[in-house]
Amino acid sequence: NAGVTQTPKFRVLKTGQSMTLLCAQDMNHEYMYWYRQDPGMGLRLIHYSVGEGTTAKGEVPDGYNVSRLKKQNFLLGLESAAPSQTSVYFCASSRPPGSYNEQFFGPGTRLTVL
Amino acid sequence: ILNVEQSPQSLHVQEGDSTNFTCSFPSSNFYALHWYRWETAKSPEALFVMTLNGDEKKKGRISATLNTKEGYSYLYIKGSQPEDSATYLCAFSGGYQKVTFGIGTKLQVIP
Repeated sequence: NAGVTQTPKFRVLKTGQSMTLLCAQDMNHEYMYWYRQDPGMGLRLIHYSVGEGTTAKGEVPDGYNVSRLKKQNFLLGLESAAPSQTSVYFCASSRPPGSYNEQFFGPGTRLTVL
Repeated sequence: ILNVEQSPQSLHVQEGDSTNFTCSFPSSNFYALHWYRWETAKSPEALFVMTLNGDEKKKGRISATLNTKEGYSYLYIKGSQPEDSATYLCAFSGGYQKVTFGIGTKLQVIP
């Protein structure tokens, strides 16, 4: 099993450009999450999904959109990138209530917005 | 926004020293408390999940305790080794839809 994978691993964007980050998991997990990690801020939840076709806002959703058309995939979109969105983005999945929502993380995507 | 605090934020210890750090979290609506180990340039990996007041978990030289009534958990590392160098995250879950992460304690073990 590959676990949780993220595409791409690195990306540089110019202000105003758009892009989509892809997260895929092969563990048949219901729940999926997108976090951003910034120095001194820890992991902050952007959006999450509790099942195929569902999405919900997290702590810092502004400037991002998500979709969960298939259970195994969770897409994070930036419609008009801003320098404040320079960060490392982590996707995670879980299968509550089993393992009490233990999160399985992808390897991260490092995004720089110039 | 729930407040999950970890202390200290960073720690340098000599190889062989034992160390511990703290995670504090809301004492109401407790569902689970997770500890993760996060090595540089990698992604966080689960160490422990703790669900009951008084829980103690152990994995090799690393152990953790939980007090849900007062809202804190301790992580202990006995006889630190250079390979223990990492950031240790705690994550509080008040239900099973999402978790709130602390900033982490960055541990560096000096050979």
